[in-house]
Amino acid sequence: SSELTQDPAVSVALGQTVRITCQGDSLRSYYGSWYQQKPGQAPVLVVYGKNSRPSGIPERFAGSSSGNTATLTIIGAQAEDEADYYCNSRDSSDKHVVFGGGTKLTVL
Amino acid sequence: EVRLVESGGGLVKPGGSLILSCAASGFTFTSYSINWVRQAPGKGLEWVSSISSSSSSIYYADSVRGRFTISRDNAKESVFLQMNSLRAEDTAIYYCAREVAPARSWFDSWGQGTLVTVSS
Repeated sequence: SSELTQDPAVSVALGQTVRITCQGDSLRSYYGSWYQQKPGQAPVLVVYGKNSRPSGIPERFAGSSSGNTATLTIIGAQAEDEADYYCNSRDSSDKHVVFGGGTKLTVL
Repeated sequence: EVRLVESGGGLVKPGGSLILSCAASGFTFTSYSINWVRQAPGKGLEWVSSISSSSSSIYYADSVRGRFTISRDNAKESVFLQMNSLRAEDTAIYYCAREVAPARSWFDSWGQGTLVTVSS
């Protein structure tokens, strides 16, 4: 199986742009997805595939991928974006799913 | 409205068993794969198992293979997770999640979760 690596914590000033990265060999073969989780709540899908957003997700959330790295970009971070963010993808077997360890985003 | 509702969690002794259920509504259940994902207290997300729309493809994480069994009843629009030989490290909130497209692992709808506590 593969592993996905995320920075444990990232901070951003209110209204600024922040990038959260996810690294892993499986990302060379598969597009992943990104989830936002606030305390006591279930995860919410914010970006998936090449750069798709489910309905209801603000346009300030964008995804990209290059080589073994997937990036979630939040353009103009808002206070309500403070949360844990997880990436995931298929693993190299194409049968299993792997999640990154999560990044805690603080909006200052 | 797409809805997934988990149930069946609770306190169980090590070595015991539990069956979790995930009841779906608001979408064409027979068109979607469903996954179980768990989250230990204060920890990250861990994928547990997946089942395709027709039950033809079933997969498990190494940590639960041989102890957990996933199944679905399309007539009842429900997915089940039979958990045997439970260990302390299985303590977690268990979520069921719908997969956007087959074999993509993009989960667009999640239940609220059900807590499983394995303790003597």
